[in-house]
Amino acid sequence: GAVVSQHPSRVICKSGTSVKIECRSLDFQATTMFWYRQFPKQSLMLMATSNEGSKATYEQGVEKDKFLINHASLTLSTLTVTSAHPEDSSFYICSASPRSRASNQPQHFGDGTRLSIL
Amino acid sequence: DQQVKQNSPSLSVQEGRISILNCDYTNSMFDYFLWYKKYPAEGPTFLISISSIKDKNEDGRFTVFLNKSAKHLSLHIVPSQPGDSAVYFCAASYTGFQKLVFGTGTRLLVSP
Repeated sequence: GAVVSQHPSRVICKSGTSVKIECRSLDFQATTMFWYRQFPKQSLMLMATSNEGSKATYEQGVEKDKFLINHASLTLSTLTVTSAHPEDSSFYICSASPRSRASNQPQHFGDGTRLSIL
Repeated sequence: DQQVKQNSPSLSVQEGRISILNCDYTNSMFDYFLWYKKYPAEGPTFLISISSIKDKNEDGRFTVFLNKSAKHLSLHIVPSQPGDSAVYFCAASYTGFQKLVFGTGTRLLVSP
């Protein structure tokens, strides 16, 4: 089955640090990847849609200068949390679905990154 | 505005019995629905999906039912197993848009 790898799985760093999270599709190409955030006991909230070769599309309320997304290839998207603060502490998850002419393909998720800002 | 809702935050079922997880949605544009299973500190795992042109889809122990007129879908797990214990999310999307809208999740506990 389709595999999405996310790295690192856990990050603990000081306030003001920038943190980069990688999301890779291991056995398929993905023109589009998605970044979600999950706060404790809450649902997954879409932050942005990462488009290969073009700018990401951010959901309302998500600061694009705070959460930088780069989708440089068909198998890699990165999310950089710039100048992270304690309120950015959360569980970040990426997803992707294989390129296909089928209108619907289930998204496959990485295992997430637990970000803790001290 | 919560477009996808799972009104039961938790459900307890005995092993071997049926688990029924429910999900309601408000956006009539949604035409593709999915169920994901999630363990703590892991990403969601895809379980089963259904297109709005169908009212039922079955895959092994998992069956999803869709009632478009009621804007309601449910996931049936039969028979339930202790390994099914996890948080279950329903999600929805509409044609041309891959992004998913997730429900709030239901924690299922299957006891031996």
